[in-house]
Amino acid sequence: GESVGLHLPTLSVQEGDNSIINCAYSNSASDYFIWYKQESGKGPQFIIDIRSNMDKRQGQRVTVLLNKTVKHLSLQIAATQPGDSAVYFCAENRGDNNAGNMLTFGGGTRLMVKP
Amino acid sequence: GAVVSQHPSWVICKSGTSVKIECRSLDFQATTMFWYRQFPKQSLMLMATSNEGSKATYEQGVEKDKFLINHASLTLSTLTVTSAHPEDSSFYICSARGAGEAFFGQGTRLTVV
Repeated sequence: GESVGLHLPTLSVQEGDNSIINCAYSNSASDYFIWYKQESGKGPQFIIDIRSNMDKRQGQRVTVLLNKTVKHLSLQIAATQPGDSAVYFCAENRGDNNAGNMLTFGGGTRLMVKP
Repeated sequence: GAVVSQHPSWVICKSGTSVKIECRSLDFQATTMFWYRQFPKQSLMLMATSNEGSKATYEQGVEKDKFLINHASLTLSTLTVTSAHPEDSSFYICSARGAGEAFFGQGTRLTVV
């Protein structure tokens, strides 16, 4: 039968503008967060990570902000380029489980960059 | 950066056959490996977590007898989809984690006909 899938939210930005992708997490015990980029037909690619003892971390053209009070994570991409077009996922490490390391993913946001 | 190699990248099989997918960490020791499944336009869904030398921990709703996971060494984990059916067609991705962040394989697209 036909399966019902989720439609990914889409963020459309002009080339050169800054992009902000948001993510809410649910587990207050999560202590480590990662942003991944996934291009069509490929596996996720690590972008940047942040630990729960930090509020902000910067990489090359990317910044991750963590607000533990409201359990919110954001990824900022400066001067967005066409090559940034992809689906972006946030992942949280559930540090309170017996299995040890376990990553759970948010629903993903599709970023479309208009030339 | 660290490399995780997943093989095969694409496989087509007949309904009823079993398919084995390999996940290797090439330049680091992966104490934990994760197996995910992804349907089109959806997020990654964790199927199971395995630590080297111990039985995998499966997520609720994932049949452990259907999706056999073996993590025999610190650099290799395998996922075997047993008696595959068309509804098992999906994109399967492994992830390996050592001391730091997790790295992903390229993914395996399984098509069951």
